[in-house]
Amino acid sequence: KAGVTQTPRYLIKTRGQQVTLSCSPISGHRSVSWYQQTPGQGLQFLFEYFSETQRNKGNFPGRFSGRQFSNSRSEMNVSTLELGDSALYLCASSLRPAPIDEQYFGPGTRLTVT
Amino acid sequence: AQTVTQSQPEMSVQEAETVTLSCTYDTSESDYYLFWYKQPPSRQMILVIRQEAYKQQNATENRFSVNFQKAAKSFSLKISDSQLGDAAMYFCAYRRGAGNMLTFGGGTRLMVKP
Repeated sequence: KAGVTQTPRYLIKTRGQQVTLSCSPISGHRSVSWYQQTPGQGLQFLFEYFSETQRNKGNFPGRFSGRQFSNSRSEMNVSTLELGDSALYLCASSLRPAPIDEQYFGPGTRLTVT
Repeated sequence: AQTVTQSQPEMSVQEAETVTLSCTYDTSESDYYLFWYKQPPSRQMILVIRQEAYKQQNATENRFSVNFQKAAKSFSLKISDSQLGDAAMYFCAYRRGAGNMLTFGGGTRLMVKP
């Protein structure tokens, strides 16, 4: 079974631009979560989706948004990029948002904002 | 809000020796789960071990075991017979009973010396 895939793996953008990152969960998984990882702030929760509905949102500005499609694939969008948005963005999937279901992480998308 | 603290930014251990990584957390919840994740240099986050707060027995997975002290809100990871492949960043994480949101500690970089 294929793991969680994230595209693109690397991305360079300029301040003020917007970016869309994609996450394809493991087949059959309907829950997707996103995290931002930076050296300064560590790993921070962005959003959680289940069956196309956002269940939780972390403490990030409105420039960060996401969605989930009917096939469980998820995208996150960051508008008006700032230098501080440079980070590794990780996606994780699980069967359901239930404690018994293990979350599997993807390899991440490395975003660099110049 | 829940917080997770890892007080050891870096640790080193000799191959075949035992090492313990520390983690403390703060929560007012009674239903929660604790995890240790490993992030090797390739960046793919892998679940090492999990502990349900309602279970008194400490979790074990092969060479990995935890010391869960609920009253002290402490959750340490012991790695026995350390191997070169254990070298990685280790993150302690907290999850409430509902939802998939993980709160991570700052991480401990483990180096294994041959």
